[in-house]
Amino acid sequence: QVQLVESGGGVVQSGTSLRLSCVASGFTFSRYAMHWVRQAPGKGLEWVAVMWSDGNLQYYLDSVKGRFIISRDNSKNTLYLQMNSLRGEDTAVYFCARGEGPTGYYTMEVWGQGTTVTVSS
Amino acid sequence: QSVLTQPPSASGTPGQRVTISCSGTSSNIGINSVAWYRHLPGTAPKLLIYRDNQRPSGVPDRLSGSKSGTSASLAISGLQSEDEADYYCAAWDDSLNGVVFGGGTKLTVL
Repeated sequence: QVQLVESGGGVVQSGTSLRLSCVASGFTFSRYAMHWVRQAPGKGLEWVAVMWSDGNLQYYLDSVKGRFIISRDNSKNTLYLQMNSLRGEDTAVYFCARGEGPTGYYTMEVWGQGTTVTVSS
Repeated sequence: QSVLTQPPSASGTPGQRVTISCSGTSSNIGINSVAWYRHLPGTAPKLLIYRDNQRPSGVPDRLSGSKSGTSASLAISGLQSEDEADYYCAAWDDSLNGVVFGGGTKLTVL
């Protein structure tokens, strides 16, 4: 079955870095855009970044531009989110999600269970 | 402050029909398709409606989506206790070059 499993979350100090991973299974990973979405404690869902299926295009939430980098390894069916210069407001559960097709304009069809990132000051 | 505007809460009794609204602008809902998601804390969000009014397989037809201009709605008929959850609308925003979500609506089944 289609599955996304995130990992890499943890408790880190403000200003440090963390890399999240999302391993996909049950579908042809290289054919789909992939998103990262987060939910801060007590808040709603917030989109973070998207990468097109071929890796040639990516977009970011303004508040993470220049700090976060989305990447993928289609040979390993894995999506990554490199998070640098972490801030307290980055504390959240981070979900990866599969786009509807090769571009990320549309629906997030399948979601993982999420991994928790806590940034302490 | 979310780019898309949803009511923070909605409620209904079992069997009733409830509607959740989502208001956007000409750079998101006005020109791009809307999706709706259901989320229970601690679980993976679930896609309910895509491309404004399409249901993925497995989503019952008592859930329906509609869009007019820069607003969209999710309707749930025959309300059931298991419908209690948070509901989010989302769309691509051409000005922000990203996906924007509504703030979420907490649905309570009385």
